[in-house]
Amino acid sequence: KAGVTQTPRYLIKTRGQQVTLSCSPISGHRSVSWYQQTPGQGLQFLFEYFSETQRNKGNFPGRFSGRQFSNSRSEMNVSTLELGDSALYLCASRQTGDEQYFGPGTRLTVT
Amino acid sequence: EDQVTQSPEALRLQEGESSSLNCSYTVSGLRGLFWYRQDPGKGPEFLFTLYSAGEEKEKERLKATLTKKESFLHITAPKPEDSATYLCAVFYYGGSQGNLIFGKGTKLSVKP
Repeated sequence: KAGVTQTPRYLIKTRGQQVTLSCSPISGHRSVSWYQQTPGQGLQFLFEYFSETQRNKGNFPGRFSGRQFSNSRSEMNVSTLELGDSALYLCASRQTGDEQYFGPGTRLTVT
Repeated sequence: EDQVTQSPEALRLQEGESSSLNCSYTVSGLRGLFWYRQDPGKGPEFLFTLYSAGEEKEKERLKATLTKKESFLHITAPKPEDSATYLCAVFYYGGSQGNLIFGKGTKLSVKP
């Protein structure tokens, strides 16, 4: 089975721009979660989607949003980018169990 | 406040020198605890899930254990390829931080 894939792998954006990241879960997995990883804060939960519905949301501002499509693929959008948004953005999928399987991440650099 | 703390932050071992990593947590309504391994520039790789105090799981040179307040990841006779950051995460329902809280990890370096 193919693992979780994320595109693009690397992005450089300018402060004030917006960005969209994409995640394709493992086949058959209907839950997709997004995380932000920084050296200072570690891994922090952004949100989880299941069957196209946001099921849970972390403590991030409204500039961070997401959605899930009927094929379980998910996108995450960040508007009005700030320097502090530079991070590794990770997507994880799971089936019915608790274990989450992570993709390789998208490295976002905001200049 | 719900939180997960890992210690030490960094650990340097000689090949073959066994040791343990610690993960302590203060969470109400714990459902389970995960261990992940993360290599530089990659996403975390799932290792173990533990659900109840006293439970143990093993995989090659790694053994994870769980008590009511903490978990240990024991590394027996490590090899250089075990070098990575090891993350633990607590899984629970209804938290303000989502349903999975990660510790900041222990960076393990194993020298030949």
